[in-house]
Amino acid sequence: DVQLVESGGGLVKPGGSLRLSCAASGFNFNAAWMSWVRQAPGKGLEWVGRIKSKGGGETTDYSAPVKGRFSISRDDSKNTIYLQMNSLKTDDTAVYFCTWTGYTYLQSWGQGTLVTVSS
Amino acid sequence: QSVLTQPPSVSAAPGQKVTISCSGSSSNIANNYVSWYQHVPGTAPKLLIYENNKRHSGIPDRFSASKSGTSATLDITGLQTGDEADYYCGAWDSSLSAGGFGGGTKLTVL
Repeated sequence: DVQLVESGGGLVKPGGSLRLSCAASGFNFNAAWMSWVRQAPGKGLEWVGRIKSKGGGETTDYSAPVKGRFSISRDDSKNTIYLQMNSLKTDDTAVYFCTWTGYTYLQSWGQGTLVTVSS
Repeated sequence: QSVLTQPPSVSAAPGQKVTISCSGSSSNIANNYVSWYQHVPGTAPKLLIYENNKRHSGIPDRFSASKSGTSATLDITGLQTGDEADYYCGAWDSSLSAGGFGGGTKLTVL
């Protein structure tokens, strides 16, 4: 069975940094594209960014609100992706979901990890 | 603002049919695949439909979808109380080089 387990969420002050992790199992991670999606309290889903496989050059794409502040990386030896979040703002408060990306769609989702940015 | 536009809510009685619309533009829906997701708050979202109209593994045929031009629709027939959830459409936006979702539609089964 596919499993995606996010970790690393918590409370951080505005301007601070946090790194989320997503451990994956149950599929060929090396060939997988992976994405992050977030949901702010009371709001809808918001696409954050994605990373292609090594075969795809490990190319990354980001949404406009996080570009330049967030970065996605992967460690295929650990079947894990990361979301490094810098210069955090209160608007970044959300549940962050890790997803296995089927090129044009988000095939499987983790349960999410909560990030709260507050002073 | 969401890249795609959905109605905030829809409702229907058990056993009835409901249609959820998703409106976009030439940079997203018209020239890229649309997918649909079901999200019960507090749980992991679930893929229902991918590549405009293909049901994901395990999704019953009560769920179907289509696309025409810059719009897409999700149909749910034989509504059940267990279908109550938030539904989102999604598509890649070629102009933004980013993914995007609709604002979500809350389905209430009366």
